[in-house]
Amino acid sequence: GAVVSQHPSWVICKSGTSVKIECRSLDFQATTMFWYRQFPKQSLMLMATSNEGSKATYEQGVEKDKFLINHASLTLSTLTVTSAHPEDSSFYICSARGSGWDGTKNIQYFGAGTRLSVL
Amino acid sequence: SQQGEEDPQALSIQEGENATMNCSYKTSINNLQWYRQNSGRGLVHLILIRSNEREKHSGRLRVTLDTSKKSSSLLITASRAADTASYFCATADNYGQNFVFGPGTRLSVLP
Repeated sequence: GAVVSQHPSWVICKSGTSVKIECRSLDFQATTMFWYRQFPKQSLMLMATSNEGSKATYEQGVEKDKFLINHASLTLSTLTVTSAHPEDSSFYICSARGSGWDGTKNIQYFGAGTRLSVL
Repeated sequence: SQQGEEDPQALSIQEGENATMNCSYKTSINNLQWYRQNSGRGLVHLILIRSNEREKHSGRLRVTLDTSKKSSSLLITASRAADTASYFCATADNYGQNFVFGPGTRLSVLP
């Protein structure tokens, strides 16, 4: 099956620093990737949709200057949390949409998530 | 606004029992999917059911879809302790896009 690798799995940083999270599709090309944020015991909240070679589409209320998304290739999207603050501490998950003609394009394949703790 | 609502929010059962989770949604969909999330991990795709399908099986999983009621159910038969996780439904619109996740059901299977 399709594999999405997300790195790092856990990061602790000081307030004011920037953190980059990588999301890679390992065995398929993903023209579209998604970035989610999840608070404890809650569902996933879509932050942005990342399309290869174009600007990301951010959901309402998500600061695009705060959460920089780059999707430079068909297998890699990155999320950079700039000038992180304690309120940015959360679980961030990426996913990639399958690209198969057989309907797998309807399925999202998820990374294992990144737990960000900002001190 | 959130599309799907899962019911119940939390469910605790004994190993060997069946677990049923329900999901309701508000608008027309192309397909509905169920995902599983172990604590602190990413989501794993379980099953996809298209809007023209009524029932689908995969191993111990059975999913039904009632588009007239805009609802779906996930049944896990003969549950195991390893089934303990959160289960989310997600809907895609008529274009197969705009995934929206429900709030999830936290399932605990006691040994």
